[in-house]
Amino acid sequence: EIVLTQSPATLSLSPGERATLSCRASQSVHSTYLAWYQQKPGQAPRLLIYDASIRANGIPARFSGSGSGTDFTLTINSLEPEDFAVYYCQQLSDWCSFGQGTKLEIK
Amino acid sequence: EVKLVESGGGLVQPGRSLRLSCAASGFTFDNYAMFWVRQAPGKGLEWVSSISWNSDSIGYADSVKGRFTISRDNAQNSVYLQMNSLTTEDTAFYFCAKEGMARSYDSWGQGTLVTVSS
Repeated sequence: EIVLTQSPATLSLSPGERATLSCRASQSVHSTYLAWYQQKPGQAPRLLIYDASIRANGIPARFSGSGSGTDFTLTINSLEPEDFAVYYCQQLSDWCSFGQGTKLEIK
Repeated sequence: EVKLVESGGGLVQPGRSLRLSCAASGFTFDNYAMFWVRQAPGKGLEWVSSISWNSDSIGYADSVKGRFTISRDNAQNSVYLQMNSLTTEDTAFYFCAKEGMARSYDSWGQGTLVTVSS
């Protein structure tokens, strides 16, 4: 089983700042099969990034993904008020697993 | 527009069974794998099960293996999750999701709440 560890658990930033979220895998993940999701309270998750770096339909350009092997990053440039949420990484190399999430909160 | 609607959740006693359904519309259902993901209240996402478009490939999380069974009916555009021997640890919102590019989960239902309690 591939275990994903996200850091930090909580990130406190202000609108306009840049957020950098990390996802580390316990073993190498094919970058094609690494995705990121955003979840707001009371809502289903929303796909942001697939194939480690490709934005899903309708996702703003301020969201970007990068990484390979065991280390992946989600970057959100110039935070908007609607970006404050919980973010999860997901690997699909070996069935599926999710990281424990990073809560992005307003400072 | 892709739409996924889960149903079948509710309150159930430990040891009992429940069957969840997910009705899909807005896409060619039998072209895509489908998935179940759960989320305990206030906790993170946990993958539960996956089923390929033709049911040839099925997988389960270790936490539900041997107790849960995923299935699909392509004629009915539906995917199901039969949950047996439920425990309090199975209390969660259960989401169904559709396969997207690079195996991602590109569309999700709103979830159905399963509460296991005596």
